[in-house]
Amino acid sequence: DQQVKQNSPSLSVQEGRISILNCDYTNSMFDYFLWYKKYPAEGPTFLISISSIKDKNEDGRFTVFLNKSAKHLSLHIVPSQPGDSAVYFCAASDRTYKYIFGTGTRLKVLA
Amino acid sequence: DTAVSQTPKYLVTQMGNDKSIKCEQNLGHDTMYWYKQDSKKFLKIMFSYNNKELIINETVPNRFSPKSPDKAHLNLHINSLELGDSAVYFCASSQAGSPLHFGNGTRLTVT
Repeated sequence: DQQVKQNSPSLSVQEGRISILNCDYTNSMFDYFLWYKKYPAEGPTFLISISSIKDKNEDGRFTVFLNKSAKHLSLHIVPSQPGDSAVYFCAASDRTYKYIFGTGTRLKVLA
Repeated sequence: DTAVSQTPKYLVTQMGNDKSIKCEQNLGHDTMYWYKQDSKKFLKIMFSYNNKELIINETVPNRFSPKSPDKAHLNLHINSLELGDSAVYFCASSQAGSPLHFGNGTRLTVT
């Protein structure tokens, strides 16, 4: 039973354009959501998070949107850069110690 | 300054052997984790310790035994290794309600 889903395994975007990565969850107890970026042979690196009391959080080129009624969150990267090419994982927590991860989306930014 | 470090980075061993992976964090976090990333790239939680106390123990074969000598260290010992144990194992740490910080992973190959 996968509680956090990323239905797009891969995404290609032209440099300078917007990248939109999507994530769906099923557990209504989740109230803290995170995005991680992972390069090959490295561990996931924290990118941005959002609490369920908000519907948007922005940090530079990265914005996370949360739609609680749809149990959906998305990560927008604007403008996309070749260095953004990586695997992106979303994760969710119910404020216990458990963080549940999606299966990842591989983003390729084309120069 | 590596925040979460795990050793070894690569581990190749034969079926039936016993091996250990070590993890140390210098972030002062109270909670440490082991995650497994299998061939499908799914990041699945295995164990979590908070102040040396086991708080999460997912459905993991009891051949896997975590040990936390202090809150800065969490080791993973695996007995009687099987082919299906081949994966990348990530250590992580966090403070309550804050993002996980991951190590760079240990790629375990069982032949």
